[in-house]
Amino acid sequence: KQEVTQIPAALSVPEGENLVLNCSFTDSAIYNLQWFRQDPGKGLTSLLLIQSSQREQTSGRLNASLDKSSGRSTLYIAASQPGDSATYLCGGADGLTFGKGTHLIIQP
Amino acid sequence: DVKVTQSSRYLVKRTGEKVFLECVQDMDHENMFWYRQDPGLGLRLIYFSYDVKMKEKGDIPEGYSVSREKKERFSLILESASTNQTSMYLCASSLDRGSGNTIYFGEGSWLTVV
Repeated sequence: KQEVTQIPAALSVPEGENLVLNCSFTDSAIYNLQWFRQDPGKGLTSLLLIQSSQREQTSGRLNASLDKSSGRSTLYIAASQPGDSATYLCGGADGLTFGKGTHLIIQP
Repeated sequence: DVKVTQSSRYLVKRTGEKVFLECVQDMDHENMFWYRQDPGLGLRLIYFSYDVKMKEKGDIPEGYSVSREKKERFSLILESASTNQTSMYLCASSLDRGSGNTIYFGEGSWLTVV
Protein backbone atom coordinates (compact mmCIF):
# COMPACT_ATOMS: atom_id res chain seq x y z
CA LYS A 1 0.00 0.00 0.00
CA GLN A 2 1.30 3.41 -0.98
CA GLU A 3 2.43 5.54 1.95
CA VAL A 4 3.17 9.24 1.64
CA THR A 5 5.29 11.11 4.19
CA GLN A 6 5.81 14.84 4.47
CA ILE A 7 8.70 16.41 6.33
CA PRO A 8 8.75 18.70 8.21
CA ALA A 9 5.31 18.61 9.81
CA ALA A 10 5.59 22.31 10.57
CA LEU A 11 7.84 25.12 9.41
CA SER A 12 8.11 28.79 10.34
CA VAL A 13 10.33 31.15 8.34
CA PRO A 14 10.74 34.91 7.91
CA GLU A 15 9.15 36.60 4.93
CA GLY A 16 11.27 36.65 1.81
CA GLU A 17 13.04 33.34 2.31
CA ASN A 18 13.09 30.59 -0.26
CA LEU A 19 11.98 27.27 1.14
CA VAL A 20 11.55 23.61 0.24
CA LEU A 21 8.83 21.24 1.37
CA ASN A 22 9.44 17.52 1.06
CA CYS A 23 7.20 14.61 0.12
CA SER A 24 8.29 10.98 -0.05
CA PHE A 25 6.35 7.95 -1.22
CA THR A 26 6.98 4.23 -0.87
CA ASP A 27 5.74 2.96 -4.24
CA SER A 28 7.81 4.28 -7.12
CA ALA A 29 5.07 3.20 -9.51
CA ILE A 30 3.16 6.30 -8.49
CA TYR A 31 1.78 7.64 -11.74
CA ASN A 32 1.24 11.29 -11.01
CA LEU A 33 1.71 13.46 -7.95
CA GLN A 34 -0.20 16.52 -6.93
CA TRP A 35 0.58 19.33 -4.48
CA PHE A 36 -2.24 21.10 -2.67
CA ARG A 37 -2.69 24.07 -0.39
CA GLN A 38 -5.22 24.07 2.45
CA ASP A 39 -6.25 27.17 4.38
CA PRO A 40 -7.74 26.72 7.88
CA GLY A 41 -11.24 25.27 7.77
CA LYS A 42 -11.27 25.02 3.99
CA GLY A 43 -10.92 22.39 1.32
CA LEU A 44 -7.76 21.62 -0.63
CA THR A 45 -6.76 23.74 -3.60
CA SER A 46 -4.63 22.18 -6.31
CA LEU A 47 -1.29 23.93 -6.84
CA LEU A 48 0.65 21.72 -9.22
CA LEU A 49 0.20 18.35 -10.89
CA ILE A 50 3.32 16.49 -12.01
CA GLN A 51 2.74 13.64 -14.38
CA SER A 52 4.95 10.57 -14.16
CA SER A 53 6.66 11.45 -17.45
CA GLN A 54 7.64 14.90 -16.15
CA ARG A 55 10.34 15.89 -13.73
CA GLU A 56 8.98 19.25 -12.67
CA GLN A 57 6.21 21.80 -12.97
CA THR A 58 6.24 25.53 -12.32
CA SER A 59 3.54 28.03 -11.48
CA GLY A 60 4.61 31.53 -10.51
CA ARG A 61 6.81 31.33 -7.42
CA LEU A 62 6.15 27.61 -7.02
CA ASN A 63 8.19 24.81 -8.51
CA ALA A 64 7.51 21.14 -7.88
CA SER A 65 9.83 18.31 -8.84
CA LEU A 66 9.32 14.57 -8.99
CA ASP A 67 12.04 11.93 -8.72
CA LYS A 68 10.40 8.54 -9.04
CA SER A 69 13.66 6.62 -8.61
CA SER A 70 14.17 7.99 -5.12
CA GLY A 71 10.48 8.22 -4.27
CA ARG A 72 10.60 11.95 -3.60
CA SER A 73 8.93 15.16 -4.59
CA THR A 74 9.78 18.67 -3.47
CA LEU A 75 7.80 21.90 -3.54
CA TYR A 76 10.00 24.96 -3.80
CA ILE A 77 8.50 28.33 -2.81
CA ALA A 78 10.50 31.36 -3.84
CA ALA A 79 10.46 34.70 -2.02
CA SER A 80 7.90 33.58 0.54
CA GLN A 81 5.09 35.93 1.59
CA PRO A 82 2.76 35.96 4.63
CA GLY A 83 -0.06 34.98 2.28
CA ASP A 84 1.74 31.68 1.65
CA SER A 85 0.95 30.62 5.23
CA ALA A 86 -1.16 27.47 4.96
CA THR A 87 -0.88 23.69 5.12
CA TYR A 88 0.65 22.07 2.05
CA LEU A 89 -0.24 18.48 1.18
CA CYS A 90 1.04 16.11 -1.46
CA GLY A 91 -0.60 12.98 -2.77
CA GLY A 92 -1.02 10.68 -5.70
CA ALA A 93 -3.23 12.11 -8.40
CA ASP A 94 -5.28 8.92 -8.16
CA GLY A 95 -6.83 10.42 -5.02
CA LEU A 96 -6.11 7.38 -2.89
CA THR A 97 -3.24 8.48 -0.63
CA PHE A 98 -2.11 11.78 0.82
CA GLY A 99 0.60 12.95 3.17
CA LYS A 100 -0.39 14.59 6.46
CA GLY A 101 0.87 17.93 5.28
CA THR A 102 3.39 20.59 6.25
CA HIS A 103 1.98 23.50 8.25
CA LEU A 104 3.80 26.57 6.98
CA ILE A 105 3.95 29.94 8.71
CA ILE A 106 5.61 32.91 7.03
CA GLN A 107 6.50 35.56 9.59
CA PRO A 108 5.99 39.17 8.40
CA ASP B 1 -13.73 26.32 -13.45
CA VAL B 2 -14.60 23.00 -11.88
CA LYS B 3 -16.86 23.33 -8.92
CA VAL B 4 -17.38 20.73 -6.24
CA THR B 5 -20.19 21.73 -3.93
CA GLN B 6 -20.86 20.26 -0.53
CA SER B 7 -24.36 21.27 0.42
CA SER B 8 -23.85 21.52 4.19
CA ARG B 9 -20.90 23.36 5.68
CA TYR B 10 -21.79 22.86 9.34
CA LEU B 11 -24.01 20.19 10.86
CA VAL B 12 -24.80 19.14 14.41
CA LYS B 13 -26.46 15.75 14.77
CA ARG B 14 -27.40 13.51 17.65
CA THR B 15 -25.94 10.07 18.28
CA GLY B 16 -27.90 7.44 16.41
CA GLU B 17 -29.25 9.78 13.75
CA LYS B 18 -28.95 8.97 10.07
CA VAL B 19 -26.85 11.63 8.36
CA PHE B 20 -26.58 12.46 4.69
CA LEU B 21 -23.69 14.49 3.29
CA GLU B 22 -24.25 15.58 -0.29
CA CYS B 23 -21.65 16.42 -2.91
CA VAL B 24 -22.24 17.66 -6.44
CA GLN B 25 -19.70 18.38 -9.18
CA ASP B 26 -20.45 20.29 -12.35
CA MET B 27 -17.78 19.09 -14.79
CA ASP B 28 -18.98 15.62 -15.79
CA HIS B 29 -16.21 13.95 -13.80
CA GLU B 30 -16.24 10.18 -13.53
CA ASN B 31 -14.28 9.90 -10.28
CA MET B 32 -15.62 11.06 -6.94
CA PHE B 33 -14.19 10.64 -3.45
CA TRP B 34 -15.15 11.07 0.19
CA TYR B 35 -12.54 11.70 2.89
CA ARG B 36 -12.48 12.67 6.50
CA GLN B 37 -9.79 14.86 7.97
CA ASP B 38 -8.78 14.82 11.62
CA PRO B 39 -5.91 16.56 13.43
CA GLY B 40 -2.83 14.38 13.48
CA LEU B 41 -4.39 11.74 11.23
CA GLY B 42 -4.45 13.68 7.99
CA LEU B 43 -6.78 12.99 5.12
CA ARG B 44 -8.26 9.48 5.07
CA LEU B 45 -10.22 7.94 2.22
CA ILE B 46 -13.66 6.60 3.15
CA TYR B 47 -15.20 5.61 -0.19
CA PHE B 48 -14.69 6.42 -3.83
CA SER B 49 -16.49 5.85 -7.10
CA TYR B 50 -15.25 5.59 -10.66
CA ASP B 51 -18.67 5.68 -12.29
CA VAL B 52 -22.38 5.90 -11.65
CA LYS B 53 -23.65 3.15 -9.35
CA MET B 54 -20.09 2.03 -8.66
CA LYS B 55 -18.41 2.30 -5.28
CA GLU B 56 -15.16 1.15 -3.78
CA LYS B 57 -14.15 1.01 -0.14
CA GLY B 58 -11.33 3.22 0.96
CA ASP B 59 -9.22 2.90 4.07
CA ILE B 60 -11.91 3.56 6.68
CA PRO B 61 -15.35 2.55 5.32
CA GLU B 62 -16.72 1.19 8.60
CA GLY B 63 -19.80 3.06 9.74
CA TYR B 64 -20.32 4.72 6.36
CA SER B 65 -22.04 3.97 3.09
CA VAL B 66 -22.33 5.89 -0.18
CA SER B 67 -24.74 6.38 -3.02
CA ARG B 68 -24.09 7.47 -6.57
CA GLU B 69 -27.30 7.35 -8.58
CA LYS B 70 -26.27 10.18 -10.89
CA LYS B 71 -22.85 10.98 -12.26
CA GLU B 72 -22.67 14.43 -10.73
CA ARG B 73 -23.81 13.50 -7.22
CA PHE B 74 -22.03 11.40 -4.60
CA SER B 75 -23.63 11.06 -1.18
CA LEU B 76 -22.01 9.91 2.04
CA ILE B 77 -24.34 8.27 4.54
CA LEU B 78 -23.79 7.71 8.23
CA GLU B 79 -26.40 5.08 9.07
CA SER B 80 -26.22 5.67 12.83
CA ALA B 81 -24.01 8.60 13.74
CA SER B 82 -21.58 8.20 16.60
CA THR B 83 -19.44 10.73 18.44
CA ASN B 84 -16.25 9.32 16.90
CA GLN B 85 -17.57 10.40 13.51
CA THR B 86 -17.26 14.04 14.51
CA SER B 87 -14.90 15.35 11.86
CA MET B 88 -14.43 17.46 8.76
CA TYR B 89 -15.61 15.63 5.65
CA LEU B 90 -14.22 16.48 2.23
CA CYS B 91 -15.56 15.51 -1.16
CA ALA B 92 -13.44 15.55 -4.33
CA SER B 93 -13.70 14.70 -7.99
CA SER B 94 -11.43 14.12 -10.98
CA LEU B 95 -12.01 13.53 -14.67
CA ASP B 96 -11.40 9.80 -15.06
CA ARG B 97 -8.99 6.99 -14.23
CA GLY B 98 -6.50 8.11 -16.85
CA SER B 99 -3.24 9.72 -15.85
CA GLY B 100 -2.69 13.39 -15.36
CA ASN B 101 -6.03 14.41 -13.90
CA THR B 102 -6.24 17.15 -11.33
CA ILE B 103 -8.28 16.43 -8.22
CA TYR B 104 -10.74 19.14 -7.19
CA PHE B 105 -12.05 19.44 -3.65
CA GLY B 106 -15.15 20.91 -2.10
CA GLU B 107 -15.03 23.34 0.83
CA GLY B 108 -15.70 20.65 3.41
CA SER B 109 -18.51 19.77 5.79
CA TRP B 110 -17.95 20.08 9.53
CA LEU B 111 -19.99 17.43 11.31
CA THR B 112 -20.42 17.39 15.07
CA VAL B 113 -22.17 14.40 16.64
CA VAL B 114 -23.40 14.99 20.18
